[in-house]
Amino acid sequence: DAGVTQSPTHLIKTRGQQVTLRCSPKSGHDTVSWYQQALGQGPQFIFQYYEEEERQRGNFPDRFSGHQFPNYSSELNVNALLLGDSALYLCASSQQGAETQYFGPGTRLLVL
Amino acid sequence: GENVEQHPSTLSVQEGDSAVIKCTYSDSASNYFPWYKQELGKRPQLIIDIRSNVGEKKDQRIAVTLNKTAKHFSLHITETQPEDSAVYFCAASRRREKLTFGTGTRLTIIP
Repeated sequence: DAGVTQSPTHLIKTRGQQVTLRCSPKSGHDTVSWYQQALGQGPQFIFQYYEEEERQRGNFPDRFSGHQFPNYSSELNVNALLLGDSALYLCASSQQGAETQYFGPGTRLLVL
Repeated sequence: GENVEQHPSTLSVQEGDSAVIKCTYSDSASNYFPWYKQELGKRPQLIIDIRSNVGEKKDQRIAVTLNKTAKHFSLHITETQPEDSAVYFCAASRRREKLTFGTGTRLTIIP
């Protein structure tokens, strides 16, 4: 049974570029949440997707957008990258109706 | 919104001793409190969680206590081992909603 997977593992971009990160949830899970973890800090909630809709959103600008596909996988898109967007981006999946969230290995994004 | 404070930020204990990490939360509607362990370069891994209808939960050497009145919860690790060295995060959420994390505690076990 595969756990949560994310791709790519690492990414280097320059300021102003756009990036797309991908997440496949744990088998049987239908809800995907995205978090940003800056170095030395706890994960910060970006948004959550269920039934292909954004259900809840954290305090992040509109440059951060997402999508969920019918197979429950999800993408995180960040436009107009800033240096401050450099972080580990974590995807977590859960079952609708359950609180427990399981994290993927993350994508480490470096913006130069 | 929810705010979670975590203390201490760093903790060093002798192997075999106990470690305690404490968190407080602000939203009285929060009812789910997980603890995650994150080793360097790895994903956060759930180690134990507690729901608001329970005051204490134990799993082998790990236990969590919850005081709803005071809005604080704690992680207790007994008989610590070198492999317990990691960063530990507490979190809080309302049912099925976002997790709000604390700032983390770097635990070092001294052999």
